[in-house]
Amino acid sequence: DTAVSQTPKYLVTQMGNDKSIKCEQNLGHDTMYWYKQDSKKFLKIMFSYNNKELIINETVPNRFSPKSPDKAHLNLHINSLELGDSAVYFCASNPGSNRANTEAFFGQGTRLTVV
Amino acid sequence: AQSVAQPEDQVNVAEGNPLTVKCTYSVSGNPYLFWYVQYPNRGLQFLLKYITGDNLVKGSYGFEAEFNKSQTSFHLKKPSALVSDSALYFCAVRIHGSSNTGKLIFGQGTTLQVKP
Repeated sequence: DTAVSQTPKYLVTQMGNDKSIKCEQNLGHDTMYWYKQDSKKFLKIMFSYNNKELIINETVPNRFSPKSPDKAHLNLHINSLELGDSAVYFCASNPGSNRANTEAFFGQGTRLTVV
Repeated sequence: AQSVAQPEDQVNVAEGNPLTVKCTYSVSGNPYLFWYVQYPNRGLQFLLKYITGDNLVKGSYGFEAEFNKSQTSFHLKKPSALVSDSALYFCAVRIHGSSNTGKLIFGQGTTLQVKP
């Protein structure tokens, strides 16, 4: 069983469209994250939810809206897609935001290409 | 501001030789340090971490890392490189404390190329 799974793996869409990426973890973790990896491979945190509550929002444009229906799922909806949104988006989970000594588990990534 | 630096974009090493991938950090509190590896078109896989205790930590696939508090470094090492070790390596730091959110701060990544 995949611990952290994201869908879709690849997403090609036109500018201006709205799209969603889904993430699920079966590890029983309390905390989930979205990271963005840009074209230079740099990884940066976007959002984090702890037990369905938003705890990190790293100055991401409000076109990006995360939703956590339960602690096992964290989805990312993006409105009015722009060329600069093209990147690989990684979902990750951690046992808890207050358990800093534990490693995060990452999904395989969603490669978003905006054309 | 918290930051992690990996000064080398790429490290080239011959198979069988020792390898080192460098990482330095700048944080205001006590850090927890991690190394992750990313193979092409894959997610990040955890290699090892330093939390406390022995400065030399051992991880997956024969990798180890040495925490050096005075030099604020956490270099990744392996005594004998394999071609299959070729990948992108990330050093990351997490701060623990009252304002901890659990987020990881990543270095810019180092591509390791092991040649036969």
